[in-house]
Amino acid sequence: SAVISQKPSRDICQRGTSLTIQCQVDSQVTMMFWYRQQPGQSLTLIATANQGSEATYESGFVIDKFPISRPNLTFSTLTVSNMSPEDSSIYLCSAGSPGQAYGYTFGSGTRLTVV
Amino acid sequence: AQTVTQSQPEMSVQEAETVTLSCTYDTSESNYYLFWYKQPPSRQMILVIRQEAYKQQNATENRFSVNFQKAAKSFSLKISDSQLGDTAMYFCAFTVTNFGNEKLTFGTGTRLTIIP
Repeated sequence: SAVISQKPSRDICQRGTSLTIQCQVDSQVTMMFWYRQQPGQSLTLIATANQGSEATYESGFVIDKFPISRPNLTFSTLTVSNMSPEDSSIYLCSAGSPGQAYGYTFGSGTRLTVV
Repeated sequence: AQTVTQSQPEMSVQEAETVTLSCTYDTSESNYYLFWYKQPPSRQMILVIRQEAYKQQNATENRFSVNFQKAAKSFSLKISDSQLGDTAMYFCAFTVTNFGNEKLTFGTGTRLTIIP
């Protein structure tokens, strides 16, 4: 199965600043996704990262707040912009497709605290 | 829109016993996949088992098996001979097979505790 390296694993940021999270996959994958997870809760999809084109955002998430890059089939970044304490959460990237035996694989997550 | 419901927020069971986690889903699609993911305190999402909707046979992976009832839109996970390492959050997830729309929709999760 594909292996995803996600970094940073955690960060504490000042409000009003931005943080960029990176995910590197060890093989080419068609689909990559970014999720947000509040501690103890489920995963909410932020957007689908499309290679070579603009990401597809879910309702409630906008590009100005969460710009995403996908320059190739193995790498993607998510930026959390102009952060506020409400952005404190765990952010996870995912890659794969349901047709593959391993389904989707996930990065280890980034725990973000905004102070 | 697809929805996934897990009605058991928390469960606990003695080590070596069998436990069943419930999941129901709602969709108008006929081709889709269902998954169970495990998330231990380490935060890493781990695939437990995967079921293709067009397959009538229930998927099994060692101690883990599912009871897939397509007509009832039910997808429960059975863990046999439970072990301490099974303690984790378990998420049921769903996706359709339309290329370009293969995003996972997750249930709210069940926190499972295995008691020594």
